[in-house]
Amino acid sequence: DAGVIQSPRHEVTEMGQEVTLRCKPISGHNSLFWYRQTMMRGLELLIYFNNNVPIDDSGMPEDRFSAKMPNASFSTLKIQPSEPRDSAVYFCASSHNEQFFGPGTRLTVL
Amino acid sequence: GIQVEQSPPDLILQEGANSTLRCNFSDSVNNLQWFHQNPWGQLINLFYIPSGTKQNGRLSATTVATERYSLLYISSSQTTDSGVYFCAVGKKLTFGTGTRLTIIP
Repeated sequence: DAGVIQSPRHEVTEMGQEVTLRCKPISGHNSLFWYRQTMMRGLELLIYFNNNVPIDDSGMPEDRFSAKMPNASFSTLKIQPSEPRDSAVYFCASSHNEQFFGPGTRLTVL
Repeated sequence: GIQVEQSPPDLILQEGANSTLRCNFSDSVNNLQWFHQNPWGQLINLFYIPSGTKQNGRLSATTVATERYSLLYISSSQTTDSGVYFCAVGKKLTFGTGTRLTIIP
């Protein structure tokens, strides 16, 4: 298995632009998670899905953030409009029991 | 929510030394994982260990769920062991603040 796949690996954009991050989980895993890592706040959960259904989105910072999982093999995290404080590394993870992380997307909002 | 504390926050060791990293958590959990974040930022799974003891080469881990702590042991450290070690607990993985390990040649 190729593991959790994320794209793009790096994204540089200007404030106000829409950003879409993509994730392909490990085949057979029924849960998918989006995390954000910053120096100030460490690693924090944004949202997680179970069987493609959003279960807990309490970590989503505000309405500018949205996440979807249209099928078992694909999820997106969208930020619209983006702001400089959204700059961070965004990780996607999937699990059956043990979680496995993708390589992350480093987002820079200028 | 659950609190996760890791100690020490920083550790600098000579190559070949052994180390013990600790993770305390504030509530009972049915999931605990240890990760190594390498200098390139990748989160690498070390152990899935909600209870008991596991070993993998030079690394081993023990979780005492009833006393709400877990330990990660690294023996005969190598420079490639450098990075940040995270403990994370719960299904939604609440992360500790990590232990930054630096191995000096």
